[in-house]
Amino acid sequence: DVKVTQSSRYLVKRTGEKVFLECVQDMDHENMFWYRQDPGLGLRLIYFSYDVKMKEKGDIPEGYSVSREKKERFSLILESASTNQTSMYLCASSLSIGVTDTQYFGPGTRLTVL
Amino acid sequence: GNSVTQMEGPVTLSEEAFLTINCTYTATGYPSLFWYVQYPGEGLQLLLKATKADDKGSNKGFEATYRKETTSFHLEKGSVQVSDSAVYFCALDLNTGNQFYFGTGTSLTVIP
Repeated sequence: DVKVTQSSRYLVKRTGEKVFLECVQDMDHENMFWYRQDPGLGLRLIYFSYDVKMKEKGDIPEGYSVSREKKERFSLILESASTNQTSMYLCASSLSIGVTDTQYFGPGTRLTVL
Repeated sequence: GNSVTQMEGPVTLSEEAFLTINCTYTATGYPSLFWYVQYPGEGLQLLLKATKADDKGSNKGFEATYRKETTSFHLEKGSVQVSDSAVYFCALDLNTGNQFYFGTGTSLTVIP
């Protein structure tokens, strides 16, 4: 079974702090994704990556950056956290670009910015 | 543009009732369609999928048929259980890079 893990289930940070959310997948997937989930808005794509050191902006990249130094790890960075970034963050991975495939999700990190 | 529209919730049903959650989509090309389920406190899990028109996806008693003529992928289950209480997301993949488009989710509560 594919396993996608996220570094924290719950996180509380203060406004202005730099925040790192880590995601690791163990199935050698090429694609990795970061979403945020908010009530009434569903899932919105922040960034995705098709390969190591490669990244693409999703629908709402403002205020975020990402890093993919190794194939199995995809980090989401909030350079200066703000209260409107309080949300549930979900990481996902899938096999390969150009292949229709299921996205596998981690358990999520619920981030609260005070 | 590409989008998915789901019926709004929340939906509350009694155990053993029939469930339908409507999903329609707008997409260029020929997307694959998915239903994901999110149980309380957890991430999303794939429930079922269909990759071409008239395909039926099924799993755990749930099923959905890819209807190109009505651009729909409605989720159905004949007899729901309390354990089916969750949020259900419809999604599409354009098959051009594996970028998914998700609906806003429909919360289902099943009462004994």
